[in-house]
Parts: sequence; structure tokens; C-alpha cells
Amino acid sequence: AQKITQTQPGMFVQEKEAVTLDCTYDTSDPSYGLFWYKQPSSGEMIFLIYQGSYDQQNATEGRYSLNFQKARKSANLVISASQLGDSAMYFCAMREGQGGRRALTFGSGTRLQVQP
Amino acid sequence: DAGVIQSPRHEVTEMGQEVTLRCKPISGHDYLFWYRQTMMRGLELLIYFNNNVPIDDSGMPEDRFSAKMPNASFSTLKIQPSEPRDSAVYFCASSPSGQGANSPLHFGNGTRLTVT
Repeated sequence: AQKITQTQPGMFVQEKEAVTLDCTYDTSDPSYGLFWYKQPSSGEMIFLIYQGSYDQQNATEGRYSLNFQKARKSANLVISASQLGDSAMYFCAMREGQGGRRALTFGSGTRLQVQP
Repeated sequence: DAGVIQSPRHEVTEMGQEVTLRCKPISGHDYLFWYRQTMMRGLELLIYFNNNVPIDDSGMPEDRFSAKMPNASFSTLKIQPSEPRDSAVYFCASSPSGQGANSPLHFGNGTRLTVT
């Protein structure tokens, strides 16, 4: 079974609008962390935001926020006021286990295109 | 502060040749990861190290792949002999242990390998 599922291969958004990128996850571990990365066309992987399974509040980092719904096992990324530079691939990833396994498992990604 | 440094950025080789990819993690980071990215399989973990010791190599495709970390500031991923299906972008990443389970992976810019 897929541990991280990103069901939107591609998304379009108008500049200055908000967009939500979906991510669902599958784990039986009560302790886990969820990460979002951005990969622009130049290829580097840029860390955006983190949400821990025990965090009471949704994470926010500037224009990025994470809509964390634990019961639904979803961790959607919300980008507010989209900019042309937000056009990129976006990956959701998970780390399972408190202090144990340190590697991240990645989803298949969503390609976001911001239109002027 | 220098990030994760990978070399070479691009590698083109012929089938059957040995390929060596190199990585210098961020100073002070005691976890090092090797990932492979392809269109078909996405981002896959190959192997990761903690304090220079391999922790999980279950993602290494086959005996043609080997990875070493002789010291805290250097790691290699070797493919011998290379095959066309090894063509991919290979990422090295590092992370510190001090921040616990919420520490993100810091990625290098990747090595794009083409095997003809």
C-alpha cells in the first residue's frame, strides 16, 4: 500500500489566488512527521513546512500552511497568494517513528503551474 | 553556510562502465541519505547512514550498487557495472540528529546520470 498518496498529478492556479495541494498518508505509528518539499524546474529539493503528529495547531511558514486532519490522515499544503515563482513540483513526505527511522517516504508529487 | 555538495552534476557514461557519485554533507549533520529520482518510480530511498554506519540499505537495487561513508564529511555511491536503467537523478541529503524527528532532510542539487 502507498504510504503517501498525492492524487493530483497537475494543478493550475491563477496568480494571487490560493491553492490546496492534497496529501493523504497511511501509517499505524502514532508518532510521525509530515513534510512538504518544492522542486522547481532547476531540480533542487527545497524544504517548505513540517507538521508533527502530536502538534495541536496547523503549521504555517509564511505563505505556506498545512491543513492537518489527523482523523482523515490528510496533510494538505495551502499556498496563499500564489506567485509565478511557485510553479514547481511539490512533494509530500512522511517520517514514521519517534526518533527511530529517519528516512522520509515521498509521494509521487503534484506539478503546480501558476498562470499570470 | 555551505549546503550538501554533490559531484558531478551531470554524468554520461556507457553501459558497463563504473560510475562513482560523491557527496559532502552539511557539517555537523550525522545522517546521510542517498535517494534516486525517476519519472516511473519517483523518489526512492537507496540507503542511509548514521554516524558513518549504514542503517538501512534495503533500497539498494542490487549488488551492482554500493555506498560507503568513510568519514563524516564524505560519501560515495558506486554503480558497477552501470546499465541504461540506472539513468536517473541521484540525490544526497543530510540531516542533524539534534532536532529530533522533526528535522528535515537537506538535499544536494543532485547528479543527473545518463547511461547509454
